[in-house]
Amino acid sequence: KAGVTQTPRYLIKTRGQQVTLSCSPISGHRSVSWYQQTPGQGLQFLFEYFSETQRNKGNFPGRFSGRQFSNSRSEMNVSTLELGDSALYLCASSLGARYYEQYFGPGTRLTVT
Amino acid sequence: KNEVEQSPQNLTAQEGEFITINCSYSVGISALHWLQQHPGGGIVSLFMLSSGKKKHGRLIATINIQEKHSSLHITASHPRDSAVYICAVASGNQFYFGTGTSLTVIP
Repeated sequence: KAGVTQTPRYLIKTRGQQVTLSCSPISGHRSVSWYQQTPGQGLQFLFEYFSETQRNKGNFPGRFSGRQFSNSRSEMNVSTLELGDSALYLCASSLGARYYEQYFGPGTRLTVT
Repeated sequence: KNEVEQSPQNLTAQEGEFITINCSYSVGISALHWLQQHPGGGIVSLFMLSSGKKKHGRLIATINIQEKHSSLHITASHPRDSAVYICAVASGNQFYFGTGTSLTVIP
């Protein structure tokens, strides 16, 4: 069974631009969660989607948004990029929710200049 | 305020040693996860616990709900166990992470 895939793996953007990251979950998984990892803040929860609905959201500004499609693939979007948005963005899929085992993708390394 | 605290932050062990990493949390939880992150960023889920104890190979995870504490034990440590170990808890509609324990196992 194929693992969680994320595209692109690396991305360089300029302040003020927007970016869209993609996550394809393991086949059969209906929940996708997104996380941000930075050296200063560590791992932080962004949001969780289940069956195309956002179920939970972390403490991030509205510039961070996401969606999930009917095939469970998910995208996250960051608008008006700031230097502090430079991070590793990880998605994880699971059968149900955060109390199910999470399977992580390799991440997208975003650099904002 | 950190909802999840891990100790120690850094740990160096000789190959073969028994290792314990601790995690304390201050919120009510529905589940606790132990994650392993190798250099390069990839994260692997080791355990998901809501009570009791789980064992997988040389790894053992325990949780005490009353004391809000969990431990990850590695028996007969090996250099390939060198990684960052992260404790995370699912609480309400949030998911909180510890800052991680960086483990180095020396041959």
